[in-house]
Amino acid sequence: QQPVQSPQAVILREGEDAVINCSSSKALYSVHWYRQKHGEAPIFLMILLKGGEQKGHDKISASFNEKKQQSSLYLTASQLSYSGTYFCGTGSDYNQGGKLIFGQGTELSVKP
Amino acid sequence: NAGVTQTPKFRILKIGQSMTLQCTQDMNHNYMYWYRQDPGMGLKLIYYSVGAGITDKGEVPNGYNVSRSTTEDFPLRLELAAPSQTSVYFCASSARAGEVGELFFGEGSRLTVL
Repeated sequence: QQPVQSPQAVILREGEDAVINCSSSKALYSVHWYRQKHGEAPIFLMILLKGGEQKGHDKISASFNEKKQQSSLYLTASQLSYSGTYFCGTGSDYNQGGKLIFGQGTELSVKP
Repeated sequence: NAGVTQTPKFRILKIGQSMTLQCTQDMNHNYMYWYRQDPGMGLKLIYYSVGAGITDKGEVPNGYNVSRSTTEDFPLRLELAAPSQTSVYFCASSARAGEVGELFFGEGSRLTVL
């Protein structure tokens, strides 16, 4: 089943924070986060594995709660370059051939 | 660094025609994937492969076929094109199983079926 992302879209001013959520009806082994600019290919941001870890990457971080089958992506002090569509991808089992299923995306617009 | 290369970048097909989207990677990755992305939507997995000679269906395999005769190449065949196959197609590869490995995407192939 496809994971569900919320919100579908968000508009921010530069410097504001945002949270994007991803939830699944299936038990998860991993959650991926990718960003896609209009007309371009998705770019990898980070992977979170079963274990409830949190990861960070400059001002972008994420958490993974495997019991709730949820992940959240945190963008702090947003920059214009953060604009794009964010996708979570979920893996339900390790080494099952790599079936990574993506959510429908969250469109983020950062305004000056 | 070529990475994942897809051809063609754009193609217009008539209903009922067939074509092959080419994908090649130079990173010696075992895992390769085909996704389609409809306008304003997420990525849907069509087929994937864990190595040469091994392929499996994803979420939306109907109307498509794949083969994997070498590690580098993973072509996607569309038989009897239909308007519902109008989409952007992305090929991706990873060094580890997709659940735990970073996916490297090609630039995409934009297909229109009229």
